[in-house]
Amino acid sequence: QKEVEQDPGPLSVPEGAIVSLNCTYSNSAFQYFMWYRQYSRKGPELLMYTYSSGNKEDGRFTAQVDKSSKYISLFIRDSQPSDSATYLCAMSPNAGNNRKLIWGLGTSLAVNP
Amino acid sequence: DGGITQSPKYLFRKEGQNVTLSCEQNLNHDAMYWYRQDPGQGLRLIYYSQIVNDFQKGDIAEGYSVSREKKESFPLTVTSAQKNPTAFYLCASSIRRDRKVGAEGYTFGSGTRLTVV
Repeated sequence: QKEVEQDPGPLSVPEGAIVSLNCTYSNSAFQYFMWYRQYSRKGPELLMYTYSSGNKEDGRFTAQVDKSSKYISLFIRDSQPSDSATYLCAMSPNAGNNRKLIWGLGTSLAVNP
Repeated sequence: DGGITQSPKYLFRKEGQNVTLSCEQNLNHDAMYWYRQDPGQGLRLIYYSQIVNDFQKGDIAEGYSVSREKKESFPLTVTSAQKNPTAFYLCASSIRRDRKVGAEGYTFGSGTRLTVV
């Protein structure tokens, strides 16, 4: 079993829809959770970062962490065609010198106009 | 503007040839990383360096080598020992932190697509 599971999709939604992207994990030591967006043939860019449990909102994006269920989510409201990309979750147990991120495989999202 | 520059964007390697991928950052980050990305396999860590003159093997280091002589630079050499080098290679950097709380994600370059011909 992988440490981080993420459905690769593809996920196709109409413009304006609410998108829900999810990852599950098995290591209860994970405390730092991130979402990256990767456009085709580009490097990933950090979208959202969350420490421990709870919600974090940034514009149309909301990140949720449920440590009791070992489940994280990224919600995109009022989705736009420019949101079409691959979304990767990443997580880590610590922020110290030995930090290595553990990555999901990424979910491919297409927002259709 | 600060960022990470990877070059070249596309690279072609002949059988038995070593090639070097360049990664330069002007973010003053201590830590740098090399990842390989293949369809269906996600990001796999090749090597990482937390500080100048020190680096560690990642999960798939065989057939690769790195150096970290300067804080700004972390070149990756794909040697002839790497049997399946065709992939998208990503370099990243992050601030080394000693604090127990607070973390930043990685900043990635735009990648180098390596193809064996």
